[in-house]
Amino acid sequence: NAGVTQTPKFRILKIGQSMTLQCAQDMNHNYMYWYRQDPGMGLKLIYYSVGAGITDKGEVPNGYNVSRSTTEDFPLRLELAAPSQTSVYFCASRKGAEYNEQFFGPGTRLTVL
Amino acid sequence: AQSVTQLGSHVSVSEGALVLLRCNYSSSVPPYLFWYVQYPNQGLQLLLKYTTGATLVKGINGFEAEFKKSETSFHLTKPSAHMSDAAEYFCAVSPYNQGGKLIFGQGTELSVKP
Repeated sequence: NAGVTQTPKFRILKIGQSMTLQCAQDMNHNYMYWYRQDPGMGLKLIYYSVGAGITDKGEVPNGYNVSRSTTEDFPLRLELAAPSQTSVYFCASRKGAEYNEQFFGPGTRLTVL
Repeated sequence: AQSVTQLGSHVSVSEGALVLLRCNYSSSVPPYLFWYVQYPNQGLQLLLKYTTGATLVKGINGFEAEFKKSETSFHLTKPSAHMSDAAEYFCAVSPYNQGGKLIFGQGTELSVKP
């Protein structure tokens, strides 16, 4: 199993551009999550999904959108990128009970200039 | 809203010394509790977790943590630090019936001196 994969690893955007961060998992996990990590702030939940076709907002959803058309994929869309979206983005997935471990991808480092 | 506080954003210990990383949560109902570790330029990896039962939980790499309900704490310890323990450590809680969402503390960077 590849686990949770994310692409790209790094990206530089100009203000106002848009992009999609890709996330895929091959573990047949029903739950998937997007977090952003800022220095000294820990990780904040952006969006999550409990299964294909079902998504919901987390703590910091503004400026982002998600979709979940398949169990495996959970892309995160940035529209009109802003400097405040400079961050490291992590995708995670989980199966079963809510106390089960979340498995994290390696992250995407995004800079908006 | 629930919150997680990690005391000390940076902790430095000597190799072979005790490691103690502190975590307190705010909740009247004990949530599920986790410690994750992040090595440089990598994703997060689970160290250990508390769900129910025994309050002292053991994890990977010789780490353990004790859940103390009266103190709303879940401190992480390791008797003897190794150079390879240098990393960032995150405490997280998962409140009941909220889809397994994790609420993270701000992280503690552990440095290990030779």
